[in-house]
Amino acid sequence: AQKVTQAQTEISVVEKEDVTLDCVYETRDTTYYLFWYKQPPSGELVFLIRRNSFDEQNEISGRYSWNFQKSTSSFNFTITASQVVDSAVYFCALSEPLIRTGNQFYFGTGTSLTVIP
Amino acid sequence: DGGITQSPKYLFRKEGQNVTLSCEQNLNHDAMYWYRQDPGQGLRLIYYSQIVNDFQKGDIAEGYSVSREKKESFPLTVTSAQKNPTAFYLCASNGQLYSNQPQHFGDGTRLSIL
Repeated sequence: AQKVTQAQTEISVVEKEDVTLDCVYETRDTTYYLFWYKQPPSGELVFLIRRNSFDEQNEISGRYSWNFQKSTSSFNFTITASQVVDSAVYFCALSEPLIRTGNQFYFGTGTSLTVIP
Repeated sequence: DGGITQSPKYLFRKEGQNVTLSCEQNLNHDAMYWYRQDPGQGLRLIYYSQIVNDFQKGDIAEGYSVSREKKESFPLTVTSAQKNPTAFYLCASNGQLYSNQPQHFGDGTRLSIL
């Protein structure tokens, strides 16, 4: 079973539009961590944010914001006023307790975002 | 600057040949990982290592081998048994014991068949 689901395979928006990338996860642990990464065309994955399961406070960083809802097992990512530089593949990831999984990360299949000028 | 260095950036393999991808980190991280990424797909875990001289198979270890003789280095060998090796390979690391730490990634190696 997929532990992290990113149902949106590709999204295209026009510059300055807002866009939300969805992430749904599955875990039986009460302690876990969620991450978002950005993969630009150059290939490397860039860490954007980490959220632990005990902190449901939403976070805003500039044009980026994240909405964590345990009730729906979702950790969605919103880009406000999108820019061409935001074009990339975005990955959501889940990390479960070290003891049980050996510090493994589970990545979603990614959402490819294209921002059209 | 601290980081992860993967080399080469591009690699070509002939039929029946083993090739080795290099991954070096100077972040003093205990845990290191190898992922494979195919076009339009997510990251699949090949092998990971939490400590020197120890490593574990991931989801798609068949046709690959690794070693962890030094903390800083975690090379991946793509053997001739891997019949479809064309992919983008990413190496990552993070601190052992703390699964809340993000993984840091290298720039990747693109492997193709000649």
